[in-house]
Amino acid sequence: DGGITQSPKYLFRKEGQNVTLSCEQNLNHDAMYWYRQDPGQGLRLIYYSQIVNDFQKGDIAEGYSVSREKKESFPLTVTSAQKNPTAFYLCASSISWTSGRNTGELFFGEGSRLTVL
Amino acid sequence: AQSVAQPEDQVNVAEGNPLTVKCTYSVSGNPYLFWYVQYPNRGLQFLLKYITGDNLVKGSYGFEAEFNKSQTSFHLKKPSALVSDSALYFCAVRDRAGGSYIPTFGRGTSLIVHP
Repeated sequence: DGGITQSPKYLFRKEGQNVTLSCEQNLNHDAMYWYRQDPGQGLRLIYYSQIVNDFQKGDIAEGYSVSREKKESFPLTVTSAQKNPTAFYLCASSISWTSGRNTGELFFGEGSRLTVL
Repeated sequence: AQSVAQPEDQVNVAEGNPLTVKCTYSVSGNPYLFWYVQYPNRGLQFLLKYITGDNLVKGSYGFEAEFNKSQTSFHLKKPSALVSDSALYFCAVRDRAGGSYIPTFGRGTSLIVHP
């Protein structure tokens, strides 16, 4: 079945360590997104990518980095510069922005919960 | 600019009663509107969307939503709630006239269905 796979599901990190969250999709979508979810704050956009080898900062990019070397993959690195990294992270994808059929519908992975000890 | 508001942090309803989760939006053009549901420690699942056409949209699990342009609302409804409907519900909007293809999400409404 087509979908988005995020791993790991749960991750614990010591302060000062970088961690990388994986996101892989087999939906053949061009656009991919990373969101952070905190209780009561809804979803906040971290980074997004419209196409391979291109990505843009979202609303809360500080302390995070991404790469988009393959269409299927959009990994997120939470760096030691992120002051409050404990959160639930969601990866999503959508069809191409230039297809003429994009309505804004997103397809989400199951999420990764990062806890900093 | 596009924005969406979910005025209730939490909605409580008894099993078997009808439920409504409210959503209002603001766009400069015409909207694409969405509802998603999230169960604990899971991703968001798509429920339904309004693109154009009929104002009453039917979606998954017996949910429906009514697009009201004059009130700029897109409330989620279900005639008879189930305990298993208890979850976090998100409304989202994308402005057709806007330059961004990224939807804006509401803060979410926690639906609690009591047995």
